[in-house]
Amino acid sequence: DGGITQSPKYLFRKEGQNVTLSCEQNLNHDAMYWYRQDPGQGLRLIYYSQIVNDFQKGDIAEGYSVSREKKESFPLTVTSAQKNPTAFYLCASSIAYWDHEQFFGPGTRLTVL
Amino acid sequence: GESVGLHLPTLSVQEGDNSIINCAYSNSASDYFIWYKQESGKGPQFIIDIRSNMDKRQGQRVTVLLNKTVKHLSLQIAATQPGDSAVYFCAENPSYNQGGKLIFGQGTELSVKP
Repeated sequence: DGGITQSPKYLFRKEGQNVTLSCEQNLNHDAMYWYRQDPGQGLRLIYYSQIVNDFQKGDIAEGYSVSREKKESFPLTVTSAQKNPTAFYLCASSIAYWDHEQFFGPGTRLTVL
Repeated sequence: GESVGLHLPTLSVQEGDNSIINCAYSNSASDYFIWYKQESGKGPQFIIDIRSNMDKRQGQRVTVLLNKTVKHLSLQIAATQPGDSAVYFCAENPSYNQGGKLIFGQGTELSVKP
């Protein structure tokens, strides 16, 4: 089955710790994205990658970092510099950056204790 | 039933009725508009899209209408079913040069009563 997976589904972190969220896709898509979703709100773009070894900041990149060493993987690190990290994190991919149709993973709910 | 996404974020309809979910967008230069469905605790799923040079597009039980004059987008769901209960987001693609950078609306929660 082709798709996009995120792990873990639920993640708990102590304040001051960095944590890395996994995102993998086997759709052979070039572009990948990370969004943050807060309760009752829409999605906000954190980082995106048009192609392997490339990534760009989105609208709310502060306190986050990413890497894109492989086409199928786009991990997101939530650093201790992120002041309000508790949220639902969604990863997405598209065939290419010019394609507006994005396919989403199931999400990771991060809670900072 | 009818809802304006940003001002009335919840819509409750009876099973079998038609639903209309509305969305106001901001950028008159947006090239594509997309509707996503998000069930509780899951990622959004693509429903339907419409290009800016079209006024209407139909899918299976869904129709999207685009009114560029007033920058308004609507999603109509025919014969709404309990499985349609979810949050519906509209998204706009600002311009071709922005590529996949989408701007999402707040979302409207649709609740279907059996």
